[in-house]
Amino acid sequence: DTGVSQNPRHKITKRGQNVTFRCDPISEHNRLYWYRQTLGQGPEFLTYFQNEAQLEKSRLLSDRFSAERPKGSFSTLEIQRTEQGDSAMYLCASSGQGNTEAFFGQGTRLTVV
Amino acid sequence: QQQVKQSPQSLIVQKGGISIINCAYENTAFDYFPWYQQFPGKGPALLIAIRPDVSEKKEGRFTISFNKSAKQFSLHIMDSQPGDSATYFCAAYPGADGLTFGKGTHLIIQP
Repeated sequence: DTGVSQNPRHKITKRGQNVTFRCDPISEHNRLYWYRQTLGQGPEFLTYFQNEAQLEKSRLLSDRFSAERPKGSFSTLEIQRTEQGDSAMYLCASSGQGNTEAFFGQGTRLTVV
Repeated sequence: QQQVKQSPQSLIVQKGGISIINCAYENTAFDYFPWYQQFPGKGPALLIAIRPDVSEKKEGRFTISFNKSAKQFSLHIMDSQPGDSATYFCAAYPGADGLTFGKGTHLIIQP
């Protein structure tokens, strides 16, 4: 499968716990994006990487959110001390060098109870 | 602040009819305008996209019309089919960072 892969697909966690999601982009895509989508809304941009460099992170929702892409391949999004308001679909997308076409993964559905 | 306004919120079209979804934007830095289709529980799938130097782009049954002076663009789905029933999102790209999405249109095609 050469598409964007996200794991896990679903995550249920208790309030206050930390969670980490993984995204594997399309092979050779150097840009990787994270979005959050709540019910009935369009995806909301959070952060993005070009290779291993995180070029924008001011749109992360709070300092509890962080993302890494240590080797310029897969990326992880971590949420610390989860809150019920963090319940949402977290989407990852990737695009190639100089290409604006972004392809999304299936997302990770987070439920905080 | 919503930078991309999408309408209608929901739309019901008879099979074989034309589905039309509209979007408007304010930021003139946007230079790429894609449409995404999303089915329940799935990620958005890129459908068709246009740049502001083109007024229309057609791919199969899907057409984007773009009006740069009015800062508006629309998606037309010709010969709409029940399999087209999904949520459609317009988006805009400012040349850096990520896409700005509209709120989506829930489209139902009645057989």
